[in-house]
Amino acid sequence: KNQVEQSPQSLIILEGKNCTLQCNYTVSPFSNLRWYKQDTGRGPVSLTIMTFSENTKSNGRYTATLDADTKQSSLHITASQLSDSASYICVVSFQRGKAAGNKLTFGGGTRVLVKP
Amino acid sequence: DTEVTQTPKHLVMGMTNKKSLKCEQHMGHRAMYWYKQKAKKPPELMFVYSYEKLSINESVPSRFSPECPNSSLLNLHLHALQPEDSALYLCASNELAGGHQDTQYFGPGTRLTVL
Repeated sequence: KNQVEQSPQSLIILEGKNCTLQCNYTVSPFSNLRWYKQDTGRGPVSLTIMTFSENTKSNGRYTATLDADTKQSSLHITASQLSDSASYICVVSFQRGKAAGNKLTFGGGTRVLVKP
Repeated sequence: DTEVTQTPKHLVMGMTNKKSLKCEQHMGHRAMYWYKQKAKKPPELMFVYSYEKLSINESVPSRFSPECPNSSLLNLHLHALQPEDSALYLCASNELAGGHQDTQYFGPGTRLTVL
């Protein structure tokens, strides 16, 4: 069964500090892995997307890594800001065929709270 | 324009009402999706339309009826819902170009409350 597991479930950090979120997956066949940021009651917003050949991808203060051999990914947030408070969701995709669209397997998310 | 729009933002309905959720994108994407998301849970896939045809129905109850009038629009018709159907309903779309970089773009969601 395809699964995506994230840790920790929740995290509290002080403004200005760094943090790292983890994602392990067993999805196969693998197409890509994305990290989304979701504010409460809002739709997810894509932060990074990586294919199996990419090891790292940055988007401002967000840096994602991928180890396709161990099926692990991490999202590092640098110099956290209050606006970083949100849920961060790891999503792994495999393609069912062009006509059927992507099939996404969502992790449970990590809820990050940045305190002043 | 990399935006998926959804209306309404909030909806409160009774169990006997009929209502519709609307989703629109103008990115030329050929796949559109409906997801249901309960609080503190990841989104659950409901339906997928590809090239304006329903390609996936994840065993969703018939009280939810999707419709894709054209390549830019996706509706979700609601009838005789239950209180447990209260959730955030998300629409998403992607290009369907077949590449590994193909990303789903999500709309802001409709917060549905069934009384």
